[in-house]
Amino acid sequence: EAGVTQFPSHSVIEKGQTVTLRCDPISGHDNLYWYRRVMGKEIKFLLHFVKESKQDESGMPNNRFLAERTGGTYSTLKVQPAELEDSGVYFCASSPTGHLYEQYFGPGTRLTVT
Amino acid sequence: AQKITQTQPGMFVQEKEAVTLDCTYDTSDPSYGLFWYKQPSSGEMIFLIYQGSYDQQNATEGRYSLNFQKARKSANLVISASQLGDSAMYFCAMREVYNQGGKLIFGQGTELSVKP
Repeated sequence: EAGVTQFPSHSVIEKGQTVTLRCDPISGHDNLYWYRRVMGKEIKFLLHFVKESKQDESGMPNNRFLAERTGGTYSTLKVQPAELEDSGVYFCASSPTGHLYEQYFGPGTRLTVT
Repeated sequence: AQKITQTQPGMFVQEKEAVTLDCTYDTSDPSYGLFWYKQPSSGEMIFLIYQGSYDQQNATEGRYSLNFQKARKSANLVISASQLGDSAMYFCAMREVYNQGGKLIFGQGTELSVKP
């Protein structure tokens, strides 16, 4: 069974540009989460999809971030326009339906904004 | 208020010895889960072990065990017989069932270095 995949693995963009990160969860997992770790700080929650619906987007930092999950499958996270403080590692995780299952993380996308 | 606290930014352990990584948590949710993840230098997050708040026994997974002390709100990770490959960042995380939905709340992490 394939794990969570993320694309790209690394992205370097200039301030003001747009970047789109993609996450493919484990097949059959209804729950999809986005997290990010800014350099040296703890990993912070961004948002949670249940199928195609946004269950919780309380962690989204501002309206420059837009997440979608088309048809309840893969998800994209767009940052437009990117700022320097957006640099960090963006993780996607998925889990099956149920409260306390572990979340399976993807390898992360390292975003560098220069 | 910090919900997950890992007070050890860095730890050293001699190969083949056991090491305990501390984690304390704070929640008013009666139902929650506690997780430990390992992040090696390659960057991926690897799930290690899980403890449910209603579990009577401490969780174990191979060389990993979770020392769960509910009254003290602590969930320390014990790694027995450390190996060089255990050198990594370790994150403690909590998932509150009713208060916070499905998201994980992470601690600051502990960087473990295993010495040969």
